[in-house]
Amino acid sequence: DAGVTQSPTHLIKTRGQHVTLRCSPISGHKSVSWYQQVLGQGPQFIFQYYEKEERGRGNFPDRFSARQFPNYSSELNVNALLLGDSALYLCASSRRGLAGSSYNEQFFGPGTRLTVL
Amino acid sequence: AQTVTQSQPEMSVQEAETVTLSCTYDTSESDYYLFWYKQPPSRQMILVIRQEAYKQQNATENRFSVNFQKAAKSFSLKISDSQLGDAAMYFCAYIPGNRGSTLGRLYFGRGTQLTVWP
Repeated sequence: DAGVTQSPTHLIKTRGQHVTLRCSPISGHKSVSWYQQVLGQGPQFIFQYYEKEERGRGNFPDRFSARQFPNYSSELNVNALLLGDSALYLCASSRRGLAGSSYNEQFFGPGTRLTVL
Repeated sequence: AQTVTQSQPEMSVQEAETVTLSCTYDTSESDYYLFWYKQPPSRQMILVIRQEAYKQQNATENRFSVNFQKAAKSFSLKISDSQLGDAAMYFCAYIPGNRGSTLGRLYFGRGTQLTVWP
């Protein structure tokens, strides 16, 4: 089975531009989460979507937005790019959106490396 | 606040030897899960091992085992018989098990870069 896929692999933008990153979850997974990993740090949670609704949001400015489509794929949009947005953006999918009483493993994609000049 | 701390930015080990990576966490939750993820240069985040907080028995996956000390909020990873392919960045992570606004959110430490010498 195909794993989580992300596109593009690499992206170079200039300050002030807008960027859209894409993620396709594992077949049958209904939840997608986005993480930002700045060089030398651990991933930081940005958003979680489940059944096309936002279920969680991290401490990121309104320049960051996301959505989930009927086929459960997702887009992360970042407006007015800043140098500090340069990072690896990771997408993770899981079967369900609720932690509940049993573990709901998140499977990560290979990431999109965004460089802002 | 829920935080995960990895105090060792870098560790090294000789091939076939054993190494232990440290992790502490802070949470007020009673139900949660802890993980160790491996991130090689390919950047793919790979789950190494997980531990349910309600289980007293330490998790083991082949050469990888954990020492889970719930009262001390400590969760270390032991890699036995280290192999060259174990070289990677290792992240300790936590996720709350209770329902709430942070459903599905993983909290990561800053990582420990493991070098394996032949």
